[in-house]
This record gives sequence, structure tokens and C-alpha cells, in this order.
Amino acid sequence: EPEVTQTPSHQVTQMGQEVILRCVPISNHLYFYWYRQILGQKVEFLVSFYNNEISEKSEIFDDQFSVERPDGSNFTLKIRSTKLEDSAMYFCASRERDSRLYGYTFGSGTRLTVV
Amino acid sequence: TQLLEQSPQFLSIQEGENLTVYCNSSSVFSSLQWYRQEPGEGPVLLVTVVTGGEVKKLKRLTFQFGDARKDSSLHITAAQPGDTGLYLCGTSGSRLTFGEGTQLTVNP
Repeated sequence: EPEVTQTPSHQVTQMGQEVILRCVPISNHLYFYWYRQILGQKVEFLVSFYNNEISEKSEIFDDQFSVERPDGSNFTLKIRSTKLEDSAMYFCASRERDSRLYGYTFGSGTRLTVV
Repeated sequence: TQLLEQSPQFLSIQEGENLTVYCNSSSVFSSLQWYRQEPGEGPVLLVTVVTGGEVKKLKRLTFQFGDARKDSSLHITAAQPGDTGLYLCGTSGSRLTFGEGTQLTVNP
């Protein structure tokens, strides 16, 4: 079964530091996403990415966040200057087609702790 | 953004019991997906329903999509401890939006 791979699984960082979360989507998938889940809360959409550009972003995805696909396989989420409230599980997801018939495949997540 | 309400929020049952969880919206779903999330893991897709009145079965799990496509239910027969997890419904428009989920605990 193809998987979405995320690294690292855990990241602890000092407030104000930059972090890069990495994802390798499924190889034939064309649509990529980042979601966030603060402890005890719902899974929230951050951003979608297609054809090397952002398709849609939520109100959470402010100027301190950025995404890129630096090569043909990796998809990264950068948080420029982390805040305590950025502590959460971050999930990458990919999808083969942008169609209501297609499901999302999620990675196992990166647990980010900002101290 | 379409708002999804899931109920109950928490459910704790004994092994072998049956259960039903619900997902509702005030507006029509173009499609609905059910996911299960285990602690420390990402959501895993269980099923996609798109047609009003549709029923899909996945072993002991039965998914139903309401005729008006505003609600859906997930019924589990003879629940097992391995069914424990957070059950999420999600609607996929331009983005996948989740409900709060139902946290199911099946006790041996």
C-alpha cells in the first residue's frame, strides 16, 4: 500500500526558531495538503498545493507559513518564527485527483512542540 | 466552509455491542468521506459516499448517506477493541473539512 511519509516524527524547537516539516507524497498523486491538529482539537486545513503553487489556504496559514516542492518528491512546510501556539500535530496528505470521488492519504504526522 | 456536526462526541461500549455514529450538516454534501484516526497517527480513509441513499459495507462497518445528502451514519456491528479510535466525517469541496469526530472506545 503506497504511503505518505513524514519526517521528523517529533520536533522540539525554541520559540522564534524556524522549522521545516518534510513530506514525501505518493508518487502518482498530484494534489498535496497540510493539515494541523492541536491536542484535543479537530483536524484543520492549512493549505493545498497543485502544479507548484498554492491552490487554497486557510486563515491559519499566515505569512509565517510557506510551502514548497523543492524537488520532484519532497513537499515541505516551513514555519518561519515559531510561536507556542504552533505546537500541534502536522499532517501532510496527498490525493491523486481533485475530485469528490478521491480520498486523501495522510501521513503519520510530525508532532511539533514549541518551548 | 461547510460545518459538520458529529454525534455522539464520545462513546464507550463493550466488545460485541453494536453502535451508530452520525454526521450532519445544514447544507448538502457533494460527497462525504469517513476516516478513522488512531492516537499519534493520521486519519485513514474508510469510505467515500456520493449518491443520496447510498449504503456501503466494509466488513462489520455499514455507511449510509441520507437521501437528501445532508447526513450520514456509520454503524458498527459486534464492535471489537480494534475498532477503538476517532471516527471523522469529512466533506470535500475545494478542501477537506472535518467534523469534530466521535471518539469510540471498545472495552474487552
